[in-house]
Amino acid sequence: EAGVAQSPRYKIIEKRQSVAFWCNPISGHATLYWYQQILGQGPKLLIQFQNNGVVDDSQLPKDRFSAERLKGVDSTLKIQPAKLEDSAVYLCASSLTQGTDTQYFGPGTRLTVL
Amino acid sequence: AQTVTQSQPEMSVQEAETVTLSCTYDTSESNYYLFWYKQPPSRQMILVIRQEAYKQQNATENRFSVNFQKAAKSFSLKISDSQLGDTAMYFCAFMKHVYSGNTPLVFGKGTRLSVIA
Repeated sequence: EAGVAQSPRYKIIEKRQSVAFWCNPISGHATLYWYQQILGQGPKLLIQFQNNGVVDDSQLPKDRFSAERLKGVDSTLKIQPAKLEDSAVYLCASSLTQGTDTQYFGPGTRLTVL
Repeated sequence: AQTVTQSQPEMSVQEAETVTLSCTYDTSESNYYLFWYKQPPSRQMILVIRQEAYKQQNATENRFSVNFQKAAKSFSLKISDSQLGDTAMYFCAFMKHVYSGNTPLVFGKGTRLSVIA
């Protein structure tokens, strides 16, 4: 069974530029999560989707971050414009459904904002 | 809100020895799940073990086992016969049980484990 796929693995941008990350969850997984992991900390949830609907985006900085999950499969996370403090690893995870199921993570995208 | 505390930022263990990583959590929920994830330098977050709070029996997965103390809100991970490949960051995580709605993992800050040859 293929795992969660993410791209790119690394991205370096200047502040105020825009960037987008892509995630393809495990086949059949209805729930998709984006987490932000700042160096030295545990991951923190940015947004949770159930199929193509948003369940929780309370910690997403909506003035600069946006995310979508078209057709309930792949998802993209965008930052526009980026700030220095957005430098982090962005992790995508998926689970069969919400409530009780284990979340499986992708390899992450390391973003550096200069 | 739930919080997860890992009080050991770094630990080391000799190859083939046993090591225990500590985790405590705070919640008012009665039904929830606890996890240990491993994050090697490749950054891939890998599930090590999962414990359902309603189960009294401690979970085990090969060389990995937990000591779950619900009343004390403690969830430690024991790694037996440590191997060089166990070198990684280990995160303790909490997830409340819901039938619908948001189910994020709440993570601790991690413990960096080094296995020494």
